[in-house]
Amino acid sequence: DAGITQSPRHKVTETGTPVTLRCHQTENHRYMYWYRQDPGHGLRLIHYSYGVKDTDKGEVSDGYSVSRSKTEDFLLTLESATSSQTSVYFCAISEQETQYFGPGTRLLVL
Amino acid sequence: GIQVEQSPPDLILQEGANSTLRCNFSDSVNNLQWFHQNPWGQLINLFYIPSGTKQNGRLSATTVATERYSLLYISSSQTTDSGVYFCAVERTPGNTGKLIFGQGTTLQVKP
Repeated sequence: DAGITQSPRHKVTETGTPVTLRCHQTENHRYMYWYRQDPGHGLRLIHYSYGVKDTDKGEVSDGYSVSRSKTEDFLLTLESATSSQTSVYFCAISEQETQYFGPGTRLLVL
Repeated sequence: GIQVEQSPPDLILQEGANSTLRCNFSDSVNNLQWFHQNPWGQLINLFYIPSGTKQNGRLSATTVATERYSLLYISSSQTTDSGVYFCAVERTPGNTGKLIFGQGTTLQVKP
């Protein structure tokens, strides 16, 4: 257990509304990641962070922004949610090159 | 970008049987990991194995980086082994952990 929590665990929202998902870690890891998982696509990297205020894009970053103002928190924001962003979102940390995942957040955009 | 292909896509086993899952990748990598996603959706890291062989209980993995493939062996399978197995890689010379995942192998172990 790498001490990763995600909140909320489930969310239903409407198209056009902003949504923020939170990833919290307790062990001071430098690298943090956001992935989405969809049927037929496996897991795809959205954004990642390599330190406070240091972030970069992944494979599928359009429509998403991230922020990391503290080592322990990595926020994923959907500025204006769309139905195509209905997915399961996973946060991960990297410890000695091995990645460990949080429990996931199920997001439904109606 | 790098392509990651896993085979077979689906596998059904009787409890106690052995199996081999394969991961092929299209470019050189310096990071390869195997994950198990259980039926409740939790993702568990099994191995970090960019090259060589590792064993952990009934599971073992081998990566032949020069031939661009990795194998995950499951021996004496149990019903708790059911779920989806993912291979994920980071292309050389990356060192940021930006993993590219395969589509997974769905394993069902019957009692």
